[in-house]
Amino acid sequence: QVQLVESGGTVVQPGGFLRLSCAASGFTFTNHRMHWVRQAPGKGLEWVTAISSGGDNDYYDASVRGRFTISRDNSKNILFLQMNSLRVDDTAVYYCARDWDVRGTPTNLFDYWGQGTLVTVSS
Amino acid sequence: EIVLTQSPGTLSLSPGERATVSCRGSQSVSRTSLAWYQQKPGQAPRLLIYAASTRATGIPDRFSGSGSGTDFTLTISRLEPEDFAVYYCQQYSSSSLTFGGGTKVEIK
Repeated sequence: QVQLVESGGTVVQPGGFLRLSCAASGFTFTNHRMHWVRQAPGKGLEWVTAISSGGDNDYYDASVRGRFTISRDNSKNILFLQMNSLRVDDTAVYYCARDWDVRGTPTNLFDYWGQGTLVTVSS
Repeated sequence: EIVLTQSPGTLSLSPGERATVSCRGSQSVSRTSLAWYQQKPGQAPRLLIYAASTRATGIPDRFSGSGSGTDFTLTISRLEPEDFAVYYCQQYSSSSLTFGGGTKVEIK
């Protein structure tokens, strides 16, 4: 079955950096665009970034553009999120999510999610 | 960026009652690009509805979606105990994907 397992969340100081990972299994990773979606404690969902199936195109929300970088290792079925210049308002659970692919076309819908990893930015 | 505003913020209802959740866009959203998700405490969200009115695989028919333009609605015809959760709308028509702020459906 499809599994997405995030890791790397921890407490980090403002201005610091962190790299999250998401290990994917149970499906053909190279067939799917992948996303990161975050949720601040007690708050709603916020889309962060996405990467194409081949890794050659990436997309970012304005709030993280220039600070965060999404990447993937298709040989190891791992998705990454490099987060630099972290701010207090980046504190959230970060979910990796699979894009629902319909006959080879990404939809920007999320059909499978991991359980999330908590990033806390605090001094 | 398309801002989605959900109302009400909280809906207090009893099992068996009908729930209606509204999602309004700051600009028109393609009817094929509006989705609804359910999230229970401590869990990741689950896709319920896409293209405004199409149920995802395995979603019971008590869940329905409707709407067009800037106004969309999620309806749960008869609430079951497992339906008490937070519901989010999402638009996926633009390259910057956005969610509504969420509506909590709680037991009255």
